[in-house]
Formats: sequence, structure tokens, C-alpha cells
Amino acid sequence: GENVEQHPSTLSVQEGDSAVIKCTYSDSASNYFPWYKQELGKRPQLIIDIRSNVGEKKDQRIAVTLNKTAKHFSLHITETQPEDSAVYFCAASSYFGNEKLTFGTGTRLTIIP
Amino acid sequence: DTAVSQTPKYLVTQMGNDKSIKCEQNLGHDTMYWYKQDSKKFLKIMFSYNNKELIINETVPNRFSPKSPDKAHLNLHINSLELGDSAVYFCASSQEVVANTGELFFGEGSRLTVL
Repeated sequence: GENVEQHPSTLSVQEGDSAVIKCTYSDSASNYFPWYKQELGKRPQLIIDIRSNVGEKKDQRIAVTLNKTAKHFSLHITETQPEDSAVYFCAASSYFGNEKLTFGTGTRLTIIP
Repeated sequence: DTAVSQTPKYLVTQMGNDKSIKCEQNLGHDTMYWYKQDSKKFLKIMFSYNNKELIINETVPNRFSPKSPDKAHLNLHINSLELGDSAVYFCASSQEVVANTGELFFGEGSRLTVL
């Protein structure tokens, strides 16, 4: 089955700086990679996703990059703001069969005002 | 209108008791899930149902039994509760048959505390 590793587990950045969270996956058949954000006491919510036919995807201040050869993908948040403070989860899954979405272990991001 | 709603939000009970958590989605999705989030925030899938049919059953103790009376509802019953069952249980739904091609919509979570 799929195994997703996520680093770092905690990250503190100054407001306005950039934050990068990295994930690696084990199953070369995986080709869908979403990122979820979970604010304190709230539910996880999808913020961006990428499929294996794309190397990078941007949505305003967030971007995700994918390196299929190396089996890793990253979340980049630029111009960080206090509301970016949350736990971020990467995940990986395959299109085919009944493969489940496997989540990484989460990164607690704290934005320092 | 809440898209995925689960009740109760908080549940405190003694070891050995039996409890249930209910989940309903009004998104018209075919697939529903139960996830467990432990104290370290790890999110692990427990079960997945597509149109009332069980399609994913992770290595979960038999004490956990999901039930889907219709595709809009997925309940979780837990027998003989143990201390290690303490966690936040999230219900979720998705449009696609499997979660890998579409967004998962999570409920607000049910925090279970076993004393």
C-alpha cells in the first residue's frame, strides 16, 4: 500500500515570509495529490490538488509542485498571513481500483506576527 | 445548510460501553467515509461506502461496525469501548466512487473520550 511521509512536523515562519512543506510517497502508481488544511478545532478542507500529468499548479498565494521521478511533492505558501496558521496534510492516491487516499502525518504551521 | 453533519460533536463515556456516531450528507454524493484522527493529528481511513456498499475496510477491530441505511447516511457503532478509542472521528463524503479524484468533504468531527 501507499506510504506518505511529510516534513517538517512543525514549522514557524515570520508573517510575510514563505513556507514550504514537503511530502514523499512510496507507490509509483499514485497520481493524485491533494493538500488539506485543518484549522484548530475545525474540519480538514481541500486547498489545492495536483495530478501526475502536471508538474506545478498555483492558486493565488499557494502552489504545489510534483516530481514523479523522485516521488515527492511540495506545498509552497508565499506572503504568509496569520490565517495561514493551521495543520496541513498532504495525501496521495491512485486513479485505479479502490485505492484509498493516504494522508501524511501533518505539519503544524505557525505564522509569527 | 451544513453539507456533512455528524452527531454528537462530543461524547464522553466509560470503558466497556457501546456508543454510536451518526453522519448525514446532503451533497448527493455516492461515497461516504469514516476517518479517525488521534491525538497526534494522524488521519487514518477506517471505512468507505459507495451507495450503501462497503468498499474499504481497513484493519479496524470488529468492535467498530459501520452501517449505511442509504447513500446519504453512514453511522458508526462502537462496542466495548477502550481507552485507545479516544479520538476525533470524522465522517466525509465525495462525489467520485473513490476518494482519489475528487474533494473529500468532511464533517465537523465527533470527539470521543473514553474514561
